[in-house]
Parts: sequence; structure tokens; C-alpha cells
Amino acid sequence: EAGVAQSPRYKIIEKRQSVAFWCNPISGHATLYWYQQILGQGPKLLIQFQNNGVVDDSQLPKDRFSAERLKGVDSTLKIQPAKLEDSAVYLCASSFQVRYWDILSVEQYFGPGTRLTVT
Amino acid sequence: GQQLNQSPQSMFIQEGEDVSMNCTSSSIFNTWLWYKQDPGEGPVLLIALYKAGELTSNGRLTAQFGITRKDSFLNISASIPSDVGIYFCAGWTYSGAGSYQLTFGKGTKLSVIP
Repeated sequence: EAGVAQSPRYKIIEKRQSVAFWCNPISGHATLYWYQQILGQGPKLLIQFQNNGVVDDSQLPKDRFSAERLKGVDSTLKIQPAKLEDSAVYLCASSFQVRYWDILSVEQYFGPGTRLTVT
Repeated sequence: GQQLNQSPQSMFIQEGEDVSMNCTSSSIFNTWLWYKQDPGEGPVLLIALYKAGELTSNGRLTAQFGITRKDSFLNISASIPSDVGIYFCAGWTYSGAGSYQLTFGKGTKLSVIP
């Protein structure tokens, strides 16, 4: 089974430039997540999609970040304009949901990430 | 927001030794997950825990979901060089209506000395 695909793997841009990242989730996974991982920290959720609808974008800096998942499959995350503090690894993850009686299983599978450096 | 306190922050061990790391929180979580992240890669799911008190093994890895639902530990037995990496705990809270929040700890960096 193919995993979560992301591109590009690395990107270097200057501050105030724009950048876009692409993610293709595991086939059949309805839920897609974008995370930001700053060096030395755990991933932080930016936005969550269920099919092509946004479920949670409470931690997305909406003045500069945007994301879409138009057909409910692959997704793009955009930063415009970039700031120095946006330097991080941007991880995409996907999951399916399975309910075992009263237990909801939501196991996320991550892509390799895109390492963004803003200079 | 919810926070997970993961410890230790880093550890150096000899090959063959057992390792233990844990995660605590002031909040209750419905599910605990343990991930391992290698340099330049995304986190890989190791173990998922769904019930308070649950003890689950995956090869040399054993993890437990605390009875209070506020803590979890991960043990690695007989460590080998490929165990090197950063281990993250993560806790799920289900807020209903299809909305979940997954919170990650800051990670435990494991180094294995051959």
C-alpha cells in the first residue's frame, strides 16, 4: 500500500515570497491533516479536512496560510507571504476512522514532510 | 490548550539495555499514540492505545495507557542501533461531530551506543 506522498521535499525561499506544498493521502483515507513541526518540537496541527470540508482550522494563521482539498483527495497548503518564523517541516497525514463498539480508532499516517527554510 | 509533558527529553543508552519513557498530562485523553521519527522523515506510528489500563506490545515495544487516562509509558527492551530516533507521544481527544484534536509531546531523543 502506498503511503502519504508529499512534494517538494525541500524548499528555500526568501521572506515575503510565496510557497505551496502538495500532499496525496493514502487511498481511501477521508481525513487529511497538515502539521507544522518546528525544530525540537512535536508536530502542531494547522488544519484538518474531512473529505473536502474543513473540520478544524483553529490554529491556522489565516492571514498568510491557506489550504484546500477541492476534490476530497489531494491537498495543497500555501504560505503567502512567508516569514522567517515559518521555517519548519510541514507534515501531511491522513487517516481512516474505524469504530470498535464505543472506541473510535483514528490512526494517522504521516508523509515524509517538506522542509521549508525562509531566509 | 492541552499539553503533554514527555520525559526524558533525551537519553543515551548502551546497546542491549532496556529503555523507558513516559508522557503525562493534566487533561484526559481518549486515545494515546506512540510515534517514532527518524531524521528527514515523518513520524511512524508504533503503538495505539484505546482503553484506560490497556497494555499493548509490538515486538520489543510495550506501551500502557494509564488508568487515569492522563499518562502513558513506552518501554523498549534490548535496544539496538536502529532504535535511534525521536519518540513522540500523542493524545487524542474526541470532541464529537467528527472533530478531534491530536496533541503531541515534545519528544524523547534516543541515542544507542553500540
